[in-house]
Amino acid sequence: HEQLVQSGAEVKKPGASVKVSCKTSGYTFTAYYMHWVRQAPGQGLEWMGIINPNSGSTTYAQKFQGRVTMTRDTSTSTVYMELNSLRSEDTAVFYCARPMAVAGTFAFDIWGQGTMVTVSS
Amino acid sequence: DIQMTQSPSSLSASVGDRVSITCQASQDISTNLNWCQQKPGKAPKLLIYGASNLETGVPSRFSGSGSGTHFTFTISSLQPEDIATYYCQQYDNLPLTFGGGTKVEIK
Repeated sequence: HEQLVQSGAEVKKPGASVKVSCKTSGYTFTAYYMHWVRQAPGQGLEWMGIINPNSGSTTYAQKFQGRVTMTRDTSTSTVYMELNSLRSEDTAVFYCARPMAVAGTFAFDIWGQGTMVTVSS
Repeated sequence: DIQMTQSPSSLSASVGDRVSITCQASQDISTNLNWCQQKPGKAPKLLIYGASNLETGVPSRFSGSGSGTHFTFTISSLQPEDIATYYCQQYDNLPLTFGGGTKVEIK
């Protein structure tokens, strides 16, 4: 059973950093890229970036360049998303999402349950 | 970045009605478009990929069509469990971008 399980909710102060984990199971970790998507309260979906769990290479949305770091740990089949210099506008649910096996579709058939990050002084 | 304009932003329809949502891309994206459904407090769920391909296990009342810049998502007979927000998503170019969403309610 393919599954993504994310870490729990976080409350952070402005200027702090947050690191969200996404533990995978039920499939070959290195066979699928992993994406991160953000959703502010009551708002739509926003793509943040992608990591290749095999090589560790990343591509980030320009909006988050310089503030986001995506990493992986192949020994635990876990990917991480760290966001720095948090501001109130970063309050959101963060999702990891895995694309389906159909090559090149970037269609996310497996999602984590979401991690709520609240930024507040 | 490719802008995805989705309309309407919300709609209200009766059970059994045919419901359509449109998504317009700011440039030609061929059929590189997906549709997903999100219920309150839940992660999104993939319904359609490649503009018209139904994801495994998704009811056949859901369908998608279109290519280039204009796409349509249709629910042929609205059911109570279809109450959700629907998003289109292009994957022709990075960054991946989503439409603003369409909230579907029962009249």
